[in-house]
Amino acid sequence: SQTIHQWPATLVQPVGSPLSLECTVEGTSNPNLYWYRQAAGRGLQLLFYSVGIGQISSEVPQNLSASRPQDRQFILSSKKLLLSDSGFYLCAWSVRTSGFTDTQYFGPGTRLTVL
Amino acid sequence: EDQVTQSPEALRLQEGESSSLNCSYTVSGLRGLFWYRQDPGKGPEFLFTLYSAGEEKEKERLKATLTKKESFLHITAPKPEDSATYLCAVPFQGAQKLVFGQGTRLTINP
Repeated sequence: SQTIHQWPATLVQPVGSPLSLECTVEGTSNPNLYWYRQAAGRGLQLLFYSVGIGQISSEVPQNLSASRPQDRQFILSSKKLLLSDSGFYLCAWSVRTSGFTDTQYFGPGTRLTVL
Repeated sequence: EDQVTQSPEALRLQEGESSSLNCSYTVSGLRGLFWYRQDPGKGPEFLFTLYSAGEEKEKERLKATLTKKESFLHITAPKPEDSATYLCAVPFQGAQKLVFGQGTRLTINP
C-alpha cells in the first residue's frame, strides 16, 4: 500500500529564516506530487505540482520554491520566510495517468508558524 | 473563472439528525468531483470521486450524489465521530490540478 510522509510535523521559525519541508511517498512509482497551503479557516491553495523529477509548475507567485530531486521526494523551500507564510502545508500524490483526473492522497501536514 | 462553493459554512446537528451538504461548481467539462473529510490538524482523507451526473456513491452513513451543477453529501443518522470539515474539489485547467471549496464544518452533538 502507498504511504506519504511529511516532516517536520510542526515548525516555528523567525521571520527571515530559511525553510525546508520534505515529503516522501512510498509504495508507488512516478507519482504526481503537489504542495498545498491551508491558511487558518480557509480552503486549500495549490502552490506547486510536479509530474516528474526536476519538473515543477508554480501556481502562485511567492517567495517559496519547490524541488523534486528524486522520483518520490518533494521539497518545499524558502530563503527568507515572511509572516504571511504561516499556515498548514500539505503534500499530496496521485497516480500519473491521462484522461480523467486521478484522486489525490494527502499527507499528515506540517504546521508552520512564522514569528 | 472556475469556482467551487460549499454551503453551509458550518452545520451543527444532533446525533441521529440527517442532513445534506452542498457543493456547487461552475467548471465546464467536469472531469471528476472529489469529496474529502478533514479532521482538525490532519490532512484531508479521501472519501469519494464522482465522474458523471446521476452517479451516487456510499460509505457507511455518507452518500454522495452528482448533478450537472452541484454535488450533495448526504449524512444519515450521524454520530459524533462524523464531526469534521468536509471538502469538495474539482479539476481545472486540465486534469491534474484541483480547486477546493472552503469546506463545511460539521459538528454532531451527542
